Amino acid sequence: NAGVMQNPRHLVRRRGQEARLRCSPMKGHSHVYWYRQLPEEGLKFMVYLQKENIIDESGMPKERFSAEFPKEGPSILRIQQVVRGDSAAYFCASSQTDRGATGELFFGEGSRLTVL
Amino acid sequence: AQSVTQLGSHVSVSEGALVLLRCNYSSSVPPYLFWYVQYPNQGLQLLLKYTTGATLVKGINGFEAEFKKSETSFHLTKPSAHMSDAAEYFCAVSVLGATNKLIFGTGTLLAVQP
Repeated sequence: NAGVMQNPRHLVRRRGQEARLRCSPMKGHSHVYWYRQLPEEGLKFMVYLQKENIIDESGMPKERFSAEFPKEGPSILRIQQVVRGDSAAYFCASSQTDRGATGELFFGEGSRLTVL
Repeated sequence: AQSVTQLGSHVSVSEGALVLLRCNYSSSVPPYLFWYVQYPNQGLQLLLKYTTGATLVKGINGFEAEFKKSETSFHLTKPSAHMSDAAEYFCAVSVLGATNKLIFGTGTLLAVQP
């Protein structure tokens, strides 16, 4: 039973380029969360998605950032026109919500973005 | 709104000594509380969680935490530190039935000295 899979693990971009980060949730999970971890800081919630729906994007920057979780395929976090301040580790987590759920999130190993 | 405060961004203990990492939360409704551990360049791994029931919860690697409602605390302890415990530890709170998103503290980096 594979865990949360993220790719790429490391991504280097120059300022102004686009970054695309992918996340495949655990099997049977239909809820995906993206978090950002800046150096020396904790994890900051960005967005929560279910299949084909954005449920909560209160932590997403208003510009240049977008996320999707299509009916088929992985969730994608897209950052357009990257700037140096976007350099961070981006973590994806998934969860299952049913009567047995306890709110636990299962995390991937992260995608580390470096903007030159 | 929920929030988490972790006192002490860096904690250093000797091998074999008690580990105590502090976490206080703020929540207007009964919270679900979690401790996660992050090893260098890795993702987060769940150590333990409190949802309902017994307030003293035991997790992996010998860690445990006690939910104290009167003190709004959920401190993490381990009787005897091991070198392999060196990592960053995050406390988190969520409210089931909302969006399930976790609100994390800023983390405590635990160093274990030989």
